[in-house]
Amino acid sequence: EIVMTQAPATMSVSPGERATLSCRASQSVSSKLAWYQQKPGQAPRLLIYAASTRATGIPARFSGSGSETEFTLTVSSLQSEDFAVYYCQQYFNWPRTFGRGTKVEIK
Amino acid sequence: QVQLQESGPGLVKPSQTLSLTCSVSGASITSGSYYWSWIRQHPEKGLEYIGYIYYNGNTYYNPSLKSLVSISRDTPKNQFSLKLNSVTAADTAIYFCARGAAATTLFDNWGQGTLVTVSS
Repeated sequence: EIVMTQAPATMSVSPGERATLSCRASQSVSSKLAWYQQKPGQAPRLLIYAASTRATGIPARFSGSGSETEFTLTVSSLQSEDFAVYYCQQYFNWPRTFGRGTKVEIK
Repeated sequence: QVQLQESGPGLVKPSQTLSLTCSVSGASITSGSYYWSWIRQHPEKGLEYIGYIYYNGNTYYNPSLKSLVSISRDTPKNQFSLKLNSVTAADTAIYFCARGAAATTLFDNWGQGTLVTVSS
């Protein structure tokens, strides 16, 4: 199976600052990469798919980039509601696999 | 609006069978080329894909669990179910049901999740 590795595990960011999260795949997944946001006690929510396409209703401050094995999620100006855990997921191969997540916490 | 809701015991004894049901409203599990899926999240860990039942009844299981898991459906009730045999403490997790969109299987709708603890 494809192993997804996220870095860092935790990052401390001040509101209004930019956050850049990384995700690496153990083999190429082309652009079949999604990002999810999860808040405590909630299910994950789809943010980005096809590496860079925002899902319906996702604010423009969220952007994704990358292809093959290296991907980035950027939150341009963190709002209070953005402090959460972010997961990447590949849908190139079965089984679908997720990274271990990056927790974005308030600095 | 599609809604999914997990139900089942919150406590299962080791070596027994974990059984969960996902009730779906707002969409039919037999149409639309969707992948009706189970995903679990271990405490303080990431997400693990368990498997799906396709709208046509076909199933897929994660090879890491294949010998222990089965997913079935009750079409009149618009529900699908998970059975995980011979559970151990390592199966303690939050179990989510989710809808995978056609073609991509992107998980665009999720249940709220249910915590299942394996303990004697």
